Amino acid sequence: QQPVQSPQAVILREGEDAVINCSSSKALYSVHWYRQKHGEAPVFLMILLKGGEQKGHEKISASFNEKKQQSSLYLTASQLSYSGTYFCGTEEHQGGKLIFGQGTELSVKP
Amino acid sequence: GAGVSQSPSNKVTEKGKDVELRCDPISGHTALYWYRQSLGQGLEFLIYFQGNSAPDKSGLPSDRFSAERTGGSVSTLTIQRTQQEDSAVYLCASSLSFAWQGLQNTEAFFGQGTRLTVV
Repeated sequence: QQPVQSPQAVILREGEDAVINCSSSKALYSVHWYRQKHGEAPVFLMILLKGGEQKGHEKISASFNEKKQQSSLYLTASQLSYSGTYFCGTEEHQGGKLIFGQGTELSVKP
Repeated sequence: GAGVSQSPSNKVTEKGKDVELRCDPISGHTALYWYRQSLGQGLEFLIYFQGNSAPDKSGLPSDRFSAERTGGSVSTLTIQRTQQEDSAVYLCASSLSFAWQGLQNTEAFFGQGTRLTVV
């Protein structure tokens, strides 16, 4: 079952913060986050596992609330290079298929 | 190879013709996925191969779509009797398998995709 992302789109000025949410109606084993720039393939950002943790990648971090089956991606002090479409992907069990949400389009303006 | 390779990068075909799209995953990756991305849309799951297990075909939109993976490596997605609504970018991804290799932190690597246009 496809996870649900919100918001669908967000526009920021450089230096502003954003939060992208991902939720599932199913119990999850892991949540992945990817970013896709226009005309390019999606690129991995991070993965959060059941029983884990909040992870960070420079000014981009994420959390996973396994009780609520929700994950959030936090982008702080956004840069122009953060623009793109962000996808969360979920696995219901270890070794299971990876299903993506519909994406959140992020635009960072100067 | 260094990354996931897909061919052709672009394909224009006439409605009703069959097409084959190829994916060459990263060597050693046991998991292989096919996704479809229509213009401005999300990543629609099509099919998932995991080692020697039977593939998960639950995302294939119709019986015109089929896929195979030979020798646990190269995969071919075949679309028969193409329709205009099949026009999209078809993305392939591969990853090391969590379950098979006891790994916890792996990622899916995507190819550049095949842009299919049905006219």
